[in-house]
Amino acid sequence: DAKTTQPNSMESNEEEPVHLPCNHSTISGTDYIHWYRQLPSQGPEYVIHGLTSNVNNRMASLAIAEDRKSSTLILHRATLRDAAVYYCILISNTNAGKSTFGDGTTLTVKP
Amino acid sequence: DTAVSQTPKYLVTQMGNDKSIKCEQNLGHDTMYWYKQDSKKFLKIMFSYNNKELIINETVPNRFSPKSPDKAHLNLHINSLELGDSAVYFCASSPPGSSREAFFGQGTRLTVV
Repeated sequence: DAKTTQPNSMESNEEEPVHLPCNHSTISGTDYIHWYRQLPSQGPEYVIHGLTSNVNNRMASLAIAEDRKSSTLILHRATLRDAAVYYCILISNTNAGKSTFGDGTTLTVKP
Repeated sequence: DTAVSQTPKYLVTQMGNDKSIKCEQNLGHDTMYWYKQDSKKFLKIMFSYNNKELIINETVPNRFSPKSPDKAHLNLHINSLELGDSAVYFCASSPPGSSREAFFGQGTRLTVV
């Protein structure tokens, strides 16, 4: 299974942009790049996903490298409520039943 | 209405007991999942199930079994509970396809004593 590598932790100041990196050098052509986050004592929450092109939604933006071996989740203006563990995960039709989230990045937002 | 709901939220039980955790989704999704999150916060898939196929993570002991009475429910039954089964268990559901988002329940914290 293709794996992802993320920094264990990152810090940001409130109202500043945050760039959360993810490396996935063994990604296959059919893998979608998904991002989820988990707030304390809650279940994971979908953030965004993409295949090749950069993606934007109301929560964040996803920048995907041209070779797809890395991606970056961008929170444009971090708030205290964005403090969470952020997971980058690869999902394809062949591994949807075996995908594992990995360690994730714990984001701390300072007021 | 809660999209994916699990019961109970907390479960404390003794070693050797058999217990079940219930999960229901009202999203009309075809696929449901069970995940286990251990004390180190590592989130690992256990099962993926739709009305056609059950995919079992090979590392899951056969003491764990999913049971689906209908499309909206996927319960997790655990036999002969062990101390190492203590964890938070999450149920999730999604439409078919790898490009679709999954919705998670709030989790069930299982403590085996």
